[in-house]
Amino acid sequence: QPVLTQSSSASASLGSSVKLTCTLSSRHSSYIIAWHQQQPGKAPRYLMKVEGSGTYSKGSGVPDRFSGSTSGADRYLTISNLQSEDEADYYCETWDSNSRVFGGGTKLTVL
Amino acid sequence: QVQLAQSGAEVKKPGASVKVPCKASGYTFTSFYIHWVRQAPGQGLEWMGIINPSDGTTKYAQKFQGRVTMTRDTSTSTVYMELSTLRSEDTAIYYCARGAGSGSFLLYWGQGTLVTVSS
Repeated sequence: QPVLTQSSSASASLGSSVKLTCTLSSRHSSYIIAWHQQQPGKAPRYLMKVEGSGTYSKGSGVPDRFSGSTSGADRYLTISNLQSEDEADYYCETWDSNSRVFGGGTKLTVL
Repeated sequence: QVQLAQSGAEVKKPGASVKVPCKASGYTFTSFYIHWVRQAPGQGLEWMGIINPSDGTTKYAQKFQGRVTMTRDTSTSTVYMELSTLRSEDTAIYYCARGAGSGSFLLYWGQGTLVTVSS
C-alpha cells in the first residue's frame, strides 16, 4: 500500500507564504492525493485534491490563497498571505483498492 | 447540504463494546460509501474501514479485523461503527466521512464522537 510522508511541523509569519510537502512512496508516485485542514478542536476539512500532473481542484469555499502543485512524488500545498486562522494541522490522504492512507500531518504555526 | 451527524461522547470500560452512529442527510444515502477514521489524543488520522450503504458490504483495515463491525440502516440513513473488546488505546475521536465518489478522496466529515475507555 502507498505511504505518505510529511514534515511534523512548519512555521511562517503572518502575511507570508508557506509550502507544505507530502511525499508519496516511490512505487506510488503517480497517485492523486487530497489535502485536509484540521483547526484546533475541530473535525478535518477537505481542501483540495492534487494530481500527478500538478492539476489541483479545491473544495467549496476554500480561499484563493490555497493552491496545490506537484514535482515527481511530491505533492505540495501552498498557502499565501497567511492568516491566523490558517494555524492548523494539515494532512494528506491517498488510497488504493485495498486501503486508505494518511500522512502523519504537519502542524503549521503562524508567527 | 450534505451533513454527517454524530453523537457527542461515550465512556466505556475496558473489555466493553461501543456502537457509534453517523446519520447522513442532504444526499442519496445509498449512493456514496461511508468511511470511519479515528484520531487518538494528540495523534494523526487512522483509517478504520468502509461500508457501502447500498448493499452493506464492508472492508476493514487489517489492524481492526475481528474487532470492528460496520452496519447501516437505510430506513434512517444511519451508519454504525461497533468496536469490541475496548482497551485504553482505543480512546479517540471517531469520525465518519463520505467520499466524493467511488475510489475517491474524503469530501465530507462528521464532527466526530469522542470515545473514552477507562476503568
